[in-house]
Amino acid sequence: AQTVTQSQPEMSVQEAETVTLSCTYDTSENNYYLFWYKQPPSRQMILVIRQEAYKQQNATENRFSVNFQKAAKSFSLKISDSQLGDTAMYFCAFAYYGNNRLAFGKGNQVVVIP
Amino acid sequence: KAGVTQTPRYLIKTRGQQVTLSCSPISGHRSVSWYQQTPGQGLQFLFEYFSETQRNKGNFPGRFSGRQFSNSRSEMNVSTLELGDSALYLCASSLAGASSTDTQYFGPGTRLTVL
Repeated sequence: AQTVTQSQPEMSVQEAETVTLSCTYDTSENNYYLFWYKQPPSRQMILVIRQEAYKQQNATENRFSVNFQKAAKSFSLKISDSQLGDTAMYFCAFAYYGNNRLAFGKGNQVVVIP
Repeated sequence: KAGVTQTPRYLIKTRGQQVTLSCSPISGHRSVSWYQQTPGQGLQFLFEYFSETQRNKGNFPGRFSGRQFSNSRSEMNVSTLELGDSALYLCASSLAGASSTDTQYFGPGTRLTVL
């Protein structure tokens, strides 16, 4: 089974500050996809950002950006200008190209403090 | 567009019973995947259905089964419930064609408690 590792299980950040979540994965394949999902207290899983491994450019979605280091098998998420609504569990996920099966990390709890 | 819906949202069952959970995907989505989320094991993939066929299967015992209907709605069934089956069951849908990886959109989940 695919291994996705997230460290720093819980992190606190002041409102308007920046927080970075780390994720590493293990694969011998060249083509795959990486995702960050957030799960707020409502438990609804929401896509934050998606990265195709064949794209060298790091994906960005508004205040969310990733640092994708393919050789290092690292996929970190940066949340800029943190807002109270960003308080959630964040999951890193991996999928092989042509496959819809997601392998998730254990998650990072992010708490934004006013 | 309406999102992924799951029914029921909460269920309480006793050991040995069986349960059926339902998932309606986003309109036009043909792939439905199921995940189990527990505090101990995290999020684990159960199976994926596409065009009424099981396309992928995770490492769960045969007590866990599913199906998909012609309108892409999916059900999963757990027979002979065990205490360890208590979990949040998440359904996700995507457009996903025959060989593609498409973004999955999740439903709100069904919280199953086994007593």
